[in-house]
Amino acid sequence: GAGVSQTPSNKVTEKGKYVELRCDPISGHTALYWYRQSLGQGPEFLIYFQGTGAADDSGLPNDRFFAVRPEGSVSTLKIQRTERGDSAVYLCASSLAQGAFEQFFGPGTRLTVL
Amino acid sequence: TQLLEQSPQFLSIQEGENLTVYCNSSSVFSSLQWYRQEPGEGPVLLVTVVTGGEVKKLKRLTFQFGDARKDSSLHITAAQPGDTGLYLCAGVRAGNNRKLIWGLGTSLAVNP
Repeated sequence: GAGVSQTPSNKVTEKGKYVELRCDPISGHTALYWYRQSLGQGPEFLIYFQGTGAADDSGLPNDRFFAVRPEGSVSTLKIQRTERGDSAVYLCASSLAQGAFEQFFGPGTRLTVL
Repeated sequence: TQLLEQSPQFLSIQEGENLTVYCNSSSVFSSLQWYRQEPGEGPVLLVTVVTGGEVKKLKRLTFQFGDARKDSSLHITAAQPGDTGLYLCAGVRAGNNRKLIWGLGTSLAVNP
């Protein structure tokens, strides 16, 4: 597809479980970003990849959160021992390496931790 | 401390009215972007401004970047119900890395 895709669109899990969220960026975009968004709020930065490496992971809230991008394209956000406070919409965005860094977003994954 | 302050946080107006949303900071930005987000979807880029004093128009939407590149505004003329959504500003700070700094958003409701 032409845009950023994210799977699953919805994920319901129980407290303490492990979840993986996937992001497929726009082809050719070397930069990939993960955000978390609560209802009616702006996105909260989690982590930014340039190619395969995490260039900035300062937004990850704690060591339960981890993200990978092994081949510089698809990325997976992994959350261990989920807590109810992790419930949010997780957004992925990608951008070209140059220019004004405009980011193109996927539709998000709504995570609900019961 | 919120680096980008957006105001108002909520706005409910009647169809046909005009409105302005503000995005302010004490920091200088090398570029600033405006996004619009609808429920269940990711933010969609509306415009990017990069030059101090720049004005861009997108149909009934007018975007302005402050002369000092510390603030921006979005003005909507003759609002329509289809303009309803969350409007977000985001910017890249001058001399900083590529991480976007986000405002908290303005939730706009245009009533028929």
